[in-house]
Amino acid sequence: AQSVAQPEDQVNVAEGNPLTVKCTYSVSGNPYLFWYVQYPNRGLQFLLKYITGDNLVKGSYGFEAEFNKSQTSFHLKKPSALVSDSALYFCAVRPLTSGTYKYIFGTGTRLKVLA
Amino acid sequence: GAGVSQSPSNKVTEKGKDVELRCDPISGHTALYWYRQSLGQGLEFLIYFQGNSAPDKSGLPSDRFSAERTGGSVSTLTIQRTQQEDSAVYLCASSPTSSEAFFGQGTRLTVV
Repeated sequence: AQSVAQPEDQVNVAEGNPLTVKCTYSVSGNPYLFWYVQYPNRGLQFLLKYITGDNLVKGSYGFEAEFNKSQTSFHLKKPSALVSDSALYFCAVRPLTSGTYKYIFGTGTRLKVLA
Repeated sequence: GAGVSQSPSNKVTEKGKDVELRCDPISGHTALYWYRQSLGQGLEFLIYFQGNSAPDKSGLPSDRFSAERTGGSVSTLTIQRTQQEDSAVYLCASSPTSSEAFFGQGTRLTVV
């Protein structure tokens, strides 16, 4: 079955420190990969995506993600965390199987940046 | 509008009543998705529309759930005979065929 795993329910990091939110996937072929962020009582906001090309993708608010094909991972990173980055982060994949375009989401990781 | 619009933003209904949730996608987006997010949970896929193709209904949890998309634009998700376990945030998203999905703010449904 196709799936996305976010192994950490919560990640705590001190403000100014680098952060990593992990994501691995189990999908056949070369899917599109995405990160979304959700602030309280809000919908999901797109952060970044990997379609093809450079394995390091840069996105909104200083976030970046590294695609690793051999490890089927797409970890979200930021060099210096801000308190305002505290939110719920979702990794998603969109398989390129013919006839389906639905997004498969992970269960989310709550990021807490401590002042 | 510039983004995906969902209405109502909040809905409280009595158990056993029917509810309709509306989604106005971004103009020109061919794909439209409905997801459900229960408290503290991830996103559960419900249904997907793509152009004039038959919708992918594989995520609908029971035959009490249905959705339609009229004229390739506005979509309505209908839940019949609501149950307490239907309480959740229902999220709609739209996208161009080969790009990221853009989400609405969601409809928070509470069944009492």
